[in-house]
Amino acid sequence: AAGVIQSPRHLIKEKRETATLKCYPIPRHDTVYWYQQGPGQDPQFLISFYEKMQSDKGSIPDRFSAQQFSDYHSELNMSSLELGDSALYFCASSLWTSGADTQYFGPGTRLTVL
Amino acid sequence: GEDVEQSLFLSVREGDSSVINCTYTDSSSTYLYWYKQEPGAGLQLLTYIFSNMDMKQDQRLTVLLNKKDKHLSLRIADTQTGDSAIYFCADQNTGGFKTIFGAGTRLFVKA
Repeated sequence: AAGVIQSPRHLIKEKRETATLKCYPIPRHDTVYWYQQGPGQDPQFLISFYEKMQSDKGSIPDRFSAQQFSDYHSELNMSSLELGDSALYFCASSLWTSGADTQYFGPGTRLTVL
Repeated sequence: GEDVEQSLFLSVREGDSSVINCTYTDSSSTYLYWYKQEPGAGLQLLTYIFSNMDMKQDQRLTVLLNKKDKHLSLRIADTQTGDSAIYFCADQNTGGFKTIFGAGTRLFVKA
C-alpha cells in the first residue's frame, strides 16, 4: 500500500540558510500535518492543512511557513535556520471525516543545522 | 492546555506481558492513539480507541480506556524482542486537527 512520502530524507544546512521539506500524502488523503521531533523528545505539532487551507496551527516559529498544493502535497519552508531547528520533521496525512482522523506518518526528514 | 503523560521506561522479559500507561488531561478527547517508533524510523500507528469505548483488542494488543480517570493503557501480550521501541500515546480532541503526543515510553525487551 502507498504510504506518506517525504523528501529529502536527510538535509544538512548551515545557520541562516533556508530549507524546504516536501510531503506527499497517501493518495486520496486530504489533510496533511507537520510535526517536529527534537532529539529524545516527543513529536510537537507544527501546522496542518485540510483541502489546501490551513486548518490548525501549533508551535510553528514565524520563520517557518507551509502550504498545501492543488495535488495535496505540502511543503514546509524554513528560513533563517538556527541550530535548534535540527530535528526530525514528520509529515502525516489523513482522510478527514466527521469521526476518526487517523494520521499516517511518513518516514521523516532529518534536518541537521551546522 | 492539553497534556499527555507517560512513564519513560519499561523493561520486560521476552514472553511476558508489557503494560504501558498514559494519562491525559483533555476532557474533550475523542480518539486516543498508540504509535510505535523504532530507532531512526517514523511513527507507526498501532491502534486507536474511541472515547466511548473502554476496551479494544487487536491480536497481541489490548487497549484499556478509563475515561473517568483519563487513563489509557496498552498491553502487549507475549512481548518479543522486536517489540523494543518507543511507544507514544496521543490524544485528539473533538473536531480538532491537532494531536497531542506524550513523551513516549521506551520499552526494553530482554531475551
